[in-house]
Amino acid sequence: EAGVAQSPRYKIIEKRQSVAFWCNPISGHATLYWYQQILGQGPKLLIQFQNNGVVDDSQLPKDRFSAERLKGVDSTLKIQPAKLEDSAVYLCASSHGLAADTQYFGPGTRLTVL
Amino acid sequence: GEDVEQSLFLSVREGDSSVINCTYTDSSSTYLYWYKQEPGAGLQLLTYIFSNMDMKQDQRLTVLLNKKDKHLSLRIADTQTGDSAIYFCAEISGGYQKVTFGIGTKLQVIP
Repeated sequence: EAGVAQSPRYKIIEKRQSVAFWCNPISGHATLYWYQQILGQGPKLLIQFQNNGVVDDSQLPKDRFSAERLKGVDSTLKIQPAKLEDSAVYLCASSHGLAADTQYFGPGTRLTVL
Repeated sequence: GEDVEQSLFLSVREGDSSVINCTYTDSSSTYLYWYKQEPGAGLQLLTYIFSNMDMKQDQRLTVLLNKKDKHLSLRIADTQTGDSAIYFCAEISGGYQKVTFGIGTKLQVIP
């Protein structure tokens, strides 16, 4: 079974630029999550999708972050414009059902904002 | 509200047992998880326990849950150098089953 795929693995941008991350979950997994993991901290949930609908985006900074999962499969997370404090690893995870099921994590995208 | 706390660092000798502790605040938590993160890698689920259980054993791993004190622990028997990683405790709670992670405990295994 293929795991959760993410790209790019690394990205370096300057502040005020835009960036987008892509995630392809495990086939058949209805739930998809985006987490932000700042160095030295645990992952923080940004947004949770159930199929193509948003279940929870309470911690997503909506003035600059957006995410979509148009066909209920892969997803993109965008930051526009980026700030220095957005430097982090962005993790995508998927699960078969709601969060009580096991979440499988991708390798993450490491973003550095200069 | 939800808050998950862990100690930051633990150092043990190879072959000894490691015990990593975690406290949480949301009494409605339904599941509690332990994840392992090696350098430059994503999170790997190690084990989980339902909130109505006290203990779960899986090979070298033993999870103990004290629901009254909201305390969770992970014991690794016969710790190996390959166990060196950051270990995250996580709880699931709320109507939408939100996952909240702790800050992570860095386990260093000394040969």
